[in-house]
Amino acid sequence: GENVEQHPSTLSVQEGDSAVIKCTYSDSASNYFPWYKQELGKGPQLIIDIRSNVGEKKDQRIAVTLNKTAKHFSLHITETQPEDSAVYFCAASIRQGNKLVFGAGTILRVKS
Amino acid sequence: GAVVSQHPSWVICKSGTSVKIECRSLDFQATTMFWYRQFPKQSLMLMATSNEGSKATYEQGVEKDKFLINHASLTLSTLTVTSAHPEDSSFYICSALNGGSYNEQFFGPGTRLTVL
Repeated sequence: GENVEQHPSTLSVQEGDSAVIKCTYSDSASNYFPWYKQELGKGPQLIIDIRSNVGEKKDQRIAVTLNKTAKHFSLHITETQPEDSAVYFCAASIRQGNKLVFGAGTILRVKS
Repeated sequence: GAVVSQHPSWVICKSGTSVKIECRSLDFQATTMFWYRQFPKQSLMLMATSNEGSKATYEQGVEKDKFLINHASLTLSTLTVTSAHPEDSSFYICSALNGGSYNEQFFGPGTRLTVL
């Protein structure tokens, strides 16, 4: 079955710097790759997603890149702010039933 | 749009009792909803897929008789934890599949269950 690996597990950056989180997946049939932000005690919030027919997508300070050949995708956050501090999860779709498999998560700390 | 609510947001119960958690899609119809469990500092683990009008599909290792799922309408799915034990204490999160957006899942705010 699908396996999603996420790195790093924790990431500390200075306010204003960029943050990059990387994920790899195993199932070449996966075609949908969302990123979620989860704050303490809350449910995950979709922040950006990408489908397998594109290589990059950007939404203001957030961008996602996808390399289907290498089976990895990355989240890029520019000009980080303290409110970006949270746990970020990547996910990949699997063949059956629109299900998602999640990475282990990355704790992002933005220091002011 | 695409708002999902859960009720209750937290619940404390005694060991051996049953607890029902509701998941509602507020502004869209969801033929498919998912139930996840998340332990502290861990990722989301899919428990089951809830389909409107049919039986839920459980992931390997999840006891279907312990975690009863009912998806009676296009906007409501319920998860009942039967005969709860302390090891069932966790953060339970539902998501709803927006049929208009392929694969896109919208998550509820979660329910913190503590079993004493």
